[in-house]
Amino acid sequence: DSGVTQTPKHLITATGQRVTLRCSPRSGDLSVYWYQQSLDQGLQFLIQYYNGEERAKGNILERFSAQQFPDLHSELNLSSLELGDSALYFCASSAQGNSPLHFGNGTRLTVT
Amino acid sequence: QQQVKQSPQSLIVQKGGISIINCAYENTAFDYFPWYQQFPGKGPALLIAIRPDVSEKKEGRFTISFNKSAKQFSLHIMDSQPGDSATYFCAASRDTGRRALTFGSGTRLQVQP
Repeated sequence: DSGVTQTPKHLITATGQRVTLRCSPRSGDLSVYWYQQSLDQGLQFLIQYYNGEERAKGNILERFSAQQFPDLHSELNLSSLELGDSALYFCASSAQGNSPLHFGNGTRLTVT
Repeated sequence: QQQVKQSPQSLIVQKGGISIINCAYENTAFDYFPWYQQFPGKGPALLIAIRPDVSEKKEGRFTISFNKSAKQFSLHIMDSQPGDSATYFCAASRDTGRRALTFGSGTRLQVQP
């Protein structure tokens, strides 16, 4: 168990809808990362937060947004969903400095 | 632009054999190279990592070999076991891991009993 908790585990929704994925990092970890894993794109970095502030952006669509709250949990919001957004969404956390990333078990999103 | 290229896509090895997975990177600013192991239904888990000041790092049956001039690194799994069957990802980042990881495309390893 990595200590990173993601909810829900599975999510099925329709095109055009909006969903929120939640992540609780390991105790004490200040950085949260979101990744998308799909069959054709592999693990793609979406966005990083550090202690509530956006630190880095990757291949995140404008329809997607995220935030990190004062208690350090993070939410990834996906809107105007398309079939191609179906994927596994992983959250990872790390402590300060050059600590390794620890991944949660992901949320599997299916858009129908 | 794929910055970390991984091969092979899939690999079948007999129990007791050596599994070798290769990665090549383009960005010379990368200075942290971890390998992650992922089982079905689970998130990736850190297996072993190396920084470019060393050419090899060994932890148990797992060894990373690093060639800075060729911008290549590889994972060797010695005495491969059926329990090693998983998907393996190489990755790279800048600032000794402070920046987000860029992952390779993954290698599905199957170790046959």
